[in-house]
Amino acid sequence: DTAVSQTPKYLVTQMGNDKSIKCEQNLGHDTMYWYKQDSKKFLKIMFSYNNKELIINETVPNRFSPKSPDKAHLNLHINSLELGDSAVYFCASSQVGATSDFGSGTRLTVV
Amino acid sequence: AQTVTQSQPEMSVQEAETVTLSCTYDTSENNYYLFWYKQPPSRQMILVIRQEAYKQQNATENRFSVNFQKAAKSFSLKISDSQLGDTAMYFCAFMRSNFGNEKLTFGTGTRLTIIP
Repeated sequence: DTAVSQTPKYLVTQMGNDKSIKCEQNLGHDTMYWYKQDSKKFLKIMFSYNNKELIINETVPNRFSPKSPDKAHLNLHINSLELGDSAVYFCASSQVGATSDFGSGTRLTVV
Repeated sequence: AQTVTQSQPEMSVQEAETVTLSCTYDTSENNYYLFWYKQPPSRQMILVIRQEAYKQQNATENRFSVNFQKAAKSFSLKISDSQLGDTAMYFCAFMRSNFGNEKLTFGTGTRLTIIP
């Protein structure tokens, strides 16, 4: 029973397209995150939501729009995809006193 | 802002040997949390060990232990009796507090290879 699940695992798309990545957690955590891992393996926070409220927005282009319909879901929508958006995107969740749990990642390739 | 530095991009060690991965960080906070995450080729992020800054005792998890030096802002990971399955990228990470809504700040990672 996967704790943090994100779909799809792989996504190949052309420049200019719009795509979404979905994330769901069944841990009852209040906070969810999106992290980006670039081609050099560097991991950096993009967004966090606490109980559906945006908490962190780390200078991400506004082509990226997170949406949290409820505290168990945090989706990432990306408009007008660019080559530089190619990366692995990780969803994570956490709770007070707990450690962040990560999804298995979505490898996005823009061609 | 917090920064995390891992100065060893790559390391390799023979199976069954002990290896130590280095991590230093910079913060003005007094209470914070430090982590080591493992990322094998499957790309899953797996928590290896966690240390609360207010605890003086170094955390241990089976073959994994840390050397936490708060004054020096150093947080190294020691892997004893290394196994082939330990081959992975290892990331040191910092979290400012434990309120449940803080981000992780990662180092650049160390690629560890265990040689049979």
